[in-house]
Amino acid sequence: QQQVKQSPQSLIVQKGGISIINCAYENTAFDYFPWYQQFPGKGPALLIAIRPDVSEKKEGRFTISFNKSAKQFSLHIMDSQPGDSATYFCAASKGQGAQKLVFGQGTRLTINP
Amino acid sequence: GAGVSQSPSNKVTEKGKDVELRCDPISGHTALYWYRQRLGQGLEFLIYFQGNSAPDKSGLPSDRFSAERTGESVSTLTIQRTQQEDSAVYLCASSLEAAQYFGPGTRLLVL
Repeated sequence: QQQVKQSPQSLIVQKGGISIINCAYENTAFDYFPWYQQFPGKGPALLIAIRPDVSEKKEGRFTISFNKSAKQFSLHIMDSQPGDSATYFCAASKGQGAQKLVFGQGTRLTINP
Repeated sequence: GAGVSQSPSNKVTEKGKDVELRCDPISGHTALYWYRQRLGQGLEFLIYFQGNSAPDKSGLPSDRFSAERTGESVSTLTIQRTQQEDSAVYLCASSLEAAQYFGPGTRLLVL
């Protein structure tokens, strides 16, 4: 019940295309869902996060879509650029304030020029 | 402002030795977390601190692992009698609320 399942494991997208990464969870107590971007040799950087009271959140080229009934959420990267090539992790936590994050296994995204 | 810092950035040690990893959180962040990331894997939670107390240490893999936090700032993760399976990147994060901000990690290699 503590797992977050992420797919695909790897993804190749052409420059200018839309990259879509999906995550699914089982624990209905989860109520905070962030996405992180990690470049090789660096720590994960918080990209965007959502709570279940909204179905979509957009920040620049990055959008989270959230489906509470299906217990799924996804990251969409519009107009993908070579600089977006990185590993992306979804995560989830429960409760307000400071709580541990449960991470997906990651998606290695490559944007071809 | 300054982000989360960790030291050392890299550590090579021999099996059986003890190691100490340090984390300096973002100033004012009351919560501090330790995670482990094995090569090509996701992040595994180890322990988190709220202030100086550790409400959740459920992720510590064995009693060889311990952590402490003093003065609501710096934290130290100690691994005793290191084993080769301890080789990983150890990541620290801090937060004021739900959003966690990570440091660059300490890359530990146990020979």
